[in-house]
Amino acid sequence: DTGVSQNPRHKITKRGQNVTFRCDPISEHNRLYWYRQTLGQGPEFLTYFQNEAQLEKSRLLSDRFSAERPKGSFSTLEIQRTEQGDSAMYLCASSSFRLAGAEQYFGPGTRLTVT
Amino acid sequence: SQQGEEDPQALSIQEGENATMNCSYKTSINNLQWYRQNSGRGLVHLILIRSNEREKHSGRLRVTLDTSKKSSSLLITASRAADTASYFCATVSYYRDDKIIFGKGTRLHILP
Repeated sequence: DTGVSQNPRHKITKRGQNVTFRCDPISEHNRLYWYRQTLGQGPEFLTYFQNEAQLEKSRLLSDRFSAERPKGSFSTLEIQRTEQGDSAMYLCASSSFRLAGAEQYFGPGTRLTVT
Repeated sequence: SQQGEEDPQALSIQEGENATMNCSYKTSINNLQWYRQNSGRGLVHLILIRSNEREKHSGRLRVTLDTSKKSSSLLITASRAADTASYFCATVSYYRDDKIIFGKGTRLHILP
């Protein structure tokens, strides 16, 4: 399967704990995006990378959130000191920048529940 | 903030009928996409229509785009129970570095 993969698929954590999610994009894609989706809403943009450079962060991304893409391949999204409001589906997508307006391919998401 | 606004927010129809969902957006775009999401699952890309296109078909799906009105519609013909899902329109603009801006979605329920 050469699609976008995300791990874990589900994460339950207690408030105050740190969590880290991983996204493996399609191998030849140089752009990687993170989105967050809360219940009953559409996904909202969090941040994106072009290769290893993080080019934009949404105001939704508080200082408790950090994302990395160290070698321009997989990416991690870490949430420190989780809060109940962080409970959501975290979606990753990748695309090829060489094709302007190219389709983004989404992974299955990581569902986070903070208790 | 989300740019797309789907209408209606929820729709229930009988199996076999056609379902139409509308989407309006605010700023100029390069393409508009429709996604489906089954409850608690990931997004499935349905169709992409570019700003210079007016209509596109894919199987039972028909998408229209009116850039002068900043609106799009998704028509699902001969609906099936498996079409029950949330449908999102999403816009992409070069000026936003191809970030996808999603609407809140239309929850479609197909009645047997």
